[in-house]
Amino acid sequence: GAVVSQHPSWVICKSGTSVKIECRSLDFQATTMFWYRQFPKQSLMLMATSNEGSKATYEQGVEKDKFLINHASLTLSTLTVTSAHPEDSSFYICSAPDRGRGDNSPLHFGNGTRLTVT
Amino acid sequence: DAKTTQPNSMESNEEEPVHLPCNHSTISGTDYIHWYRQLPSQGPEYVIHGLTSNVNNRMASLAIAEDRKSSTLILHRATLRDAAVYYCILRDAASGTYKYIFGTGTRLKVLA
Repeated sequence: GAVVSQHPSWVICKSGTSVKIECRSLDFQATTMFWYRQFPKQSLMLMATSNEGSKATYEQGVEKDKFLINHASLTLSTLTVTSAHPEDSSFYICSAPDRGRGDNSPLHFGNGTRLTVT
Repeated sequence: DAKTTQPNSMESNEEEPVHLPCNHSTISGTDYIHWYRQLPSQGPEYVIHGLTSNVNNRMASLAIAEDRKSSTLILHRATLRDAAVYYCILRDAASGTYKYIFGTGTRLKVLA
C-alpha cells in the first residue's frame, strides 16, 4: 500500500532554534499534504494544507510565519518550526491522499515527529 | 466544517464484535465518511470509508444509516491489537480542498 515517510521520528531542540520536519510520499505522487499537530491525550488538529507548487493554506489561528511549509515536489513537503518555544512541543503528523486512486482516496499518514523544545 | 461526535471510550471483550458509533448530522451530500485508528505514538491508520452503501474490507465493516446522519464501524472479532483510538471523519468536499477534520475519537479498550 501507499507509504508516507516522516523524518525525524523525534527531535529535541533548544528554545529559539528552528526544526525542519520532512514528509515524503514513497510510492505515489502527493499534490496535497496535510500537517497536523497533536498534544497528549488530544485529537489531531489540522494546521495547514500543503499544495505542490503553491502556497500552503493555514487553518485559523496557526501562524504561517512560525510554521513554514514548503511543498517543492510531488513527493516532498517540509514543515519548519521557526524560533521554537517549549509550547511548540508536540507530536506533528503529516498525511497525504493518493489522488491517483481518485479524489476520495484515503489518507496515508506518516508515523509522526515528537518535538521537544527545552 | 462538518462535525462528528463519538463516545469518548468503549470497552470490548476479546473475540467479541465491537460496534463503534458516530453521529454526523450536518453531513452534506458529497461528504464521504472515513474511519481511521491510532495506536499510541503512531500516525493514524486507515480503516475504511464509504458514501452511502455499507462497506466491508479485511479490517472492518462500515454501516451507514439511510439518512447518512450516523454510521457504525464494526470490528467483527476484537483482538488486543485493535485497542486504539478510532476516529470518524468527514472529508470536507465543500471547501474544495478536501480537508480531513478529526473529532475527539473513541478510545477502544479490549479486555483479554
